Amino acid sequence: DTEVTQTPKHLVMGMTNKKSLKCEQHMGHRAMYWYKQKAKKPPELMFVYSYEKLSINESVPSRFSPECPNSSLLNLHLHALQPEDSALYLCASSQAGTTNYGYTFGSGTRLTVV
Amino acid sequence: GENVEQHPSTLSVQEGDSAVIKCTYSDSASNYFPWYKQELGKGPQLIIDIRSNVGEKKDQRIAVTLNKTAKHFSLHITETQPEDSAVYFCAASIGAGSYQLTFGKGTKLSVIP
Repeated sequence: DTEVTQTPKHLVMGMTNKKSLKCEQHMGHRAMYWYKQKAKKPPELMFVYSYEKLSINESVPSRFSPECPNSSLLNLHLHALQPEDSALYLCASSQAGTTNYGYTFGSGTRLTVV
Repeated sequence: GENVEQHPSTLSVQEGDSAVIKCTYSDSASNYFPWYKQELGKGPQLIIDIRSNVGEKKDQRIAVTLNKTAKHFSLHITETQPEDSAVYFCAASIGAGSYQLTFGKGTKLSVIP
């Protein structure tokens, strides 16, 4: 299995809602990432988990809350989002301790905040 | 920190022609350079990568070259096909121990049948 699976593919939520994005990989990768991508822009790093521990938080607002329940799963909990948070949210994974083997990205969750 | 410049931002070629996308990086410590292809509605897909101890790497119609002295690397696609149409991102990393990939701003490639 060489895939990163993200669910849901599309999500529309109100500014008062609470929702979660899910990501799963079975490649044995011990580093997992959340990226945010706006239209016509490159992905922007949000969070990095290494061996299930939060390693990097790129000053992301607290309305985004990541969680790594085990080495195969990564969640992103969303609460009280703003319309400007609408974007494609990408999960990725890689071998831990190095980026020398590139990332495997999922297909993303297209989030619309209304 | 690292800065990656990518050119051109858009590129149109006739089917069968070659396409070249160029990137420059600022941090001489960077030693890993992947290229990603992103089709509409999908996540980026790694298509080829190169490490700083190699000057060129080829995989069928795709090749990447690296000039460490000039701090630039390029993606070459030969015999382009309509399915090559996508946005291509270059990236750079200092490699081991780093989780940071710095992306270029992307090139939208259109292959005209």
